[in-house]
Amino acid sequence: KAGVTQTPRYLIKTRGQQVTLSCSPISGHRSVSWYQQTPGQGLQFLFEYFSETQRNKGNFPGRFSGRQFSNSRSEMNVSTLELGDSALYLCASSPRGPTSTDTQYFGPGTRLTVL
Amino acid sequence: KQEVTQIPAALSVPEGENLVLNCSFTDSAIYNLQWFRQDPGKGLTSLLLIQSSQREQTSGRLNASLDKSSGRSTLYIAASQPGDSATYLCAVLSGNTGKLIFGQGTTLQVKP
Repeated sequence: KAGVTQTPRYLIKTRGQQVTLSCSPISGHRSVSWYQQTPGQGLQFLFEYFSETQRNKGNFPGRFSGRQFSNSRSEMNVSTLELGDSALYLCASSPRGPTSTDTQYFGPGTRLTVL
Repeated sequence: KQEVTQIPAALSVPEGENLVLNCSFTDSAIYNLQWFRQDPGKGLTSLLLIQSSQREQTSGRLNASLDKSSGRSTLYIAASQPGDSATYLCAVLSGNTGKLIFGQGTTLQVKP
């Protein structure tokens, strides 16, 4: 079975631009969660989608948004980029979501650099 | 607010040594606890998942324990190998929030 894939793997943007990141979960997994990882803050939860609905949301500003499609693929969008948005963005998938006995499987991440 | 702390932040041991990584959390009302491994610049690999009703889980040379009442978990690595060098992250799922709260990790170096 193919693992979780994320595209692109690396991205360089400038302040004020917007960016869209994509995550394709493992086949059959309906839950996708997004996390931001920075050296200072560590791993922080962004949001979780299940069957095209956002079930949970972390404490991030409205510039961070996401969606999930009927095939469970998910995208996250960051508008009006700031220098502090530079981070590794990770997505994780599982069959039913983190509030279950399922293990979460993480993708390799997208490294976003904001200049 | 749930907080997860991992001690030590970094650890260097000679190959073959048994070692223990520690994780503590402030709110005992957790749904489950997971240990992950992260190699530099890579994503996370799940090592062990312990449900709140369980006391421990084992996989090969790894053993994770959970003491919910004291807010502690340990990851025991037996007979460490250079390939075990990585950052180990502990994460708890609090209540029914759907959010994994991560510790800052312990960076392990196993020297040949």
